[in-house]
Amino acid sequence: GENVEQHPSTLSVQEGDSAVIKCTYSDSASNYFPWYKQELGKGPQLIIDIRSNVGEKKDQRIAVTLNKTAKHFSLHITETQPEDSAVYFCAAIGGGADGLTFGKGTHLIIQP
Amino acid sequence: EPEVTQTPSHQVTQMGQEVILRCVPISNHLYFYWYRQILGQKVEFLVSFYNNEISEKSEIFDDQFSVERPDGSNFTLKIRSTKLEDSAMYFCATSWGNYGYTFGSGTRLTIV
Repeated sequence: GENVEQHPSTLSVQEGDSAVIKCTYSDSASNYFPWYKQELGKGPQLIIDIRSNVGEKKDQRIAVTLNKTAKHFSLHITETQPEDSAVYFCAAIGGGADGLTFGKGTHLIIQP
Repeated sequence: EPEVTQTPSHQVTQMGQEVILRCVPISNHLYFYWYRQILGQKVEFLVSFYNNEISEKSEIFDDQFSVERPDGSNFTLKIRSTKLEDSAMYFCATSWGNYGYTFGSGTRLTIV
């Protein structure tokens, strides 16, 4: 089955700086890679996703890049703000599977 | 924005008792899922449900678990004889296709 590794587990950045979270996956058949933001006491909220036929996708301050050859994908948040503080999860799915395989999460802390 | 609604938000149940967790999917969604998150750990896939039957389940989803959509609206997860290790956040997710999942806010299940 799929295995998703996520790094770092904790990331602290100054407000206004950029944050990068990286994930690798094992199943070359995976073709959909969403990123979720989870705030305390809430469910995961989709913030951006990318499919394997695309190398990069951007939505305002958030971007995701995918390297299919190396089997890794990254989340980039620019001009970070206090409300970006949360736990971020990457996930992967494909190869006929129904269920998302999640990474272990990154606790992003934005320092004022 | 449409939401996935889960009830109850918190459930405390004695070990060995049955528990039913409920979810109201987004109205035009066709795929339904249950995930769980043990405190401090990653989100794990339990089961997917489409066209009134289970389409995929993980190793976690053993004979103690069952799902159904009894009235065409609610989507339920039943744990027949709960164990201490069933304590977790349980998230329902729904989607109109294979991707684009929307998660509910979760039910915190505590087995005592």
